[in-house]
Order: sequence, then structure tokens, then C-alpha cells
Amino acid sequence: GAGVSQTPSNKVTEKGKYVELRCDPISGHTALYWYRQSLGQGPEFLIYFQGTGAADDSGLPNDRFFAVRPEGSVSTLKIQRTERGDSAVYLCASSLGDSLEQFFGPGTRLTVL
Amino acid sequence: DQQVKQNSPSLSVQEGRISILNCDYTNSMFDYFLWYKKYPAEGPTFLISISSIKDKNEDGRFTVFLNKSAKHLSLHIVPSQPGDSAVYFCAAKSNYQLIWGAGTKLIIKP
Repeated sequence: GAGVSQTPSNKVTEKGKYVELRCDPISGHTALYWYRQSLGQGPEFLIYFQGTGAADDSGLPNDRFFAVRPEGSVSTLKIQRTERGDSAVYLCASSLGDSLEQFFGPGTRLTVL
Repeated sequence: DQQVKQNSPSLSVQEGRISILNCDYTNSMFDYFLWYKKYPAEGPTFLISISSIKDKNEDGRFTVFLNKSAKHLSLHIVPSQPGDSAVYFCAAKSNYQLIWGAGTKLIIKP
């Protein structure tokens, strides 16, 4: 594909449920980032992968959040025991190596009822 | 504690005039600053960047100015066009992270 894709585009779930959000980066991009954007705010860094490993997960808010990238391409952000405060748009971005420019997907809007 | 601030939630500019978007930061260790543009229901797209060792970078209609002593940067768009209507985010690079401002919604009036 030409750009970063994210699925689903929208996810509505109930408090306490488990959700998985998927990101397909641009082919060949080794770096992958997850951000969370709440209404009226800028994106907030969650985690950064270089290849298969999480090089920086300091932005994950607590241990309910986890992300994987097992083959160095597709990544999945997993949220356990969702809370209403997790409602936000989750953005994924990828870049070539440590290039300055990050390319963003359209995001997944998560709503926790 | 916000490290990157965009104090104007919105800005309205006449088509053809100059748009000036402002951003302030607190951490003098940031090595790059970037501007991203975002349309509704899309992810942010990169617009222009500036290294902390520079004070100006220009790309077509877009120019970014950096004032390190004031910890302030600005994005100038001239002339402004209707397609420039979007939310503009200022971001600062710290290691691998981008630290983002809250965004300024730019409206270009015909």
C-alpha cells in the first residue's frame, strides 16, 4: 500500500473489555510509533519500535497497554480492561530508519462506553 | 506540564494574506522542531522542520522561524490559500519522541 493503514477505523467497546488496534506501516519502514490523541489536544507519544523491539515504551500509561511488532512490520496495540478514559484516537506512524519525518495513518477512534 | 504550547486554538485569515502560527516550548534540549498539518478524519502530514541550530527554514510558501532565546517558533504561510484550512500542530523532537502542541485551527476566508 501507499501509506500507513490502521484498522479498524472506529471501535466501540464496553468498559472492561479487551481491544486490539492494528497498524500496517509503509513497506520498508523500520521505525513504528503509536500515539494517542484526545479531543482538543495534540498526539501523545505511547511507544516506539525499531524493527521488532520496543526501543522506547515510556509513553504507555499503565500495564493495561501493550504493543507488539513480531515480524518488524505490522504492529498491534492491545488494551486490557478498557476504561472510559481510554477513549481517544489512536494514531500510528512509521518512518525510514531514524528519519525525522513520520508518516501517519488515519487513526482508530476508540470509544469506551 | 506542557513542554510545547500553541496558545491560539484558532486563527482566521483572508485568502492571499499571510498566516502566522505560533508555538512556544520550555525544553532547550529539543534538537528539531516540526510542523504538521491535519485535515479532519486524516492523520497529520509533515509540512516543514527546522534544526535547533538554525533560525529559519523555507519551503515554497512555508517558512519556519526559530527564536531560541525566546523559546519560540512560528510558521508563516504566504500567500494563504483555501486549501491551507486545517489544524496545524507544532512538535518538538526529543530522542525518538515527538512532543506535540494542542494545535491551531487555521481558517482561510475567501
